[in-house]
Amino acid sequence: DAGITQSPRHKVTETGTPVTLRCHQTENHRYMYWYRQDPGHGLRLIHYSYGVKDTDKGEVSDGYSVSRSKTEDFLLTLESATSSQTSVYFCAISESPQNLRGELFFGEGSRLTVL
Amino acid sequence: AQTVTQSQPEMSVQEAETVTLSCTYDTSESDYYLFWYKQPPSRQMILVIRQEAYKQQNATENRFSVNFQKAAKSFSLKISDSQLGDAAMYFCAYRRRGGGADGLTFGKGTHLIIQP
Repeated sequence: DAGITQSPRHKVTETGTPVTLRCHQTENHRYMYWYRQDPGHGLRLIHYSYGVKDTDKGEVSDGYSVSRSKTEDFLLTLESATSSQTSVYFCAISESPQNLRGELFFGEGSRLTVL
Repeated sequence: AQTVTQSQPEMSVQEAETVTLSCTYDTSESDYYLFWYKQPPSRQMILVIRQEAYKQQNATENRFSVNFQKAAKSFSLKISDSQLGDAAMYFCAYRRRGGGADGLTFGKGTHLIIQP
């Protein structure tokens, strides 16, 4: 199994509070991703990173920011959490897209509830 | 933008029978990957099978096989001899090959129920 750790795994917070989710990898993969999963929507890309300090927006980036100061860590921050951000968040990693397999490896997910 | 469509929100099959999950996609690219991921109640995303667009041969992994129709942009998953452990959400996913850091584009998923 790919070495990907998400923390916290479960969090309950209140509207308006800041929240940071952490993804830590031990695979030294260049690319890292944050997805959210909601019923009826599958997984949707929030932000991704293609190197230290190199990040870009995905499909549903509004209300989220990310940072990557080290290869192994990718942080997702909700500056002011809203109830619409209640979701399960997945971190994923990948080698170069030019590699032979192209797959993403996923963490175990973090369930966030915003009351 | 690429899109992936899974038209079956839920499927049910008797244990030991065969079931096929449908997936269509839209892209203007010629070189890409297609995947099926399984998500059991544990929530873990597990890769079931992958297909490279330039390969005409359909991928197989034990009881799992795909029917890849590139011209029709169709990528169905066949599960033979269904087992109780196959019960899960199944997601079809697309990824452009070459250049950039594109992640996967997912369909909305199919919930597979296995009847004992």
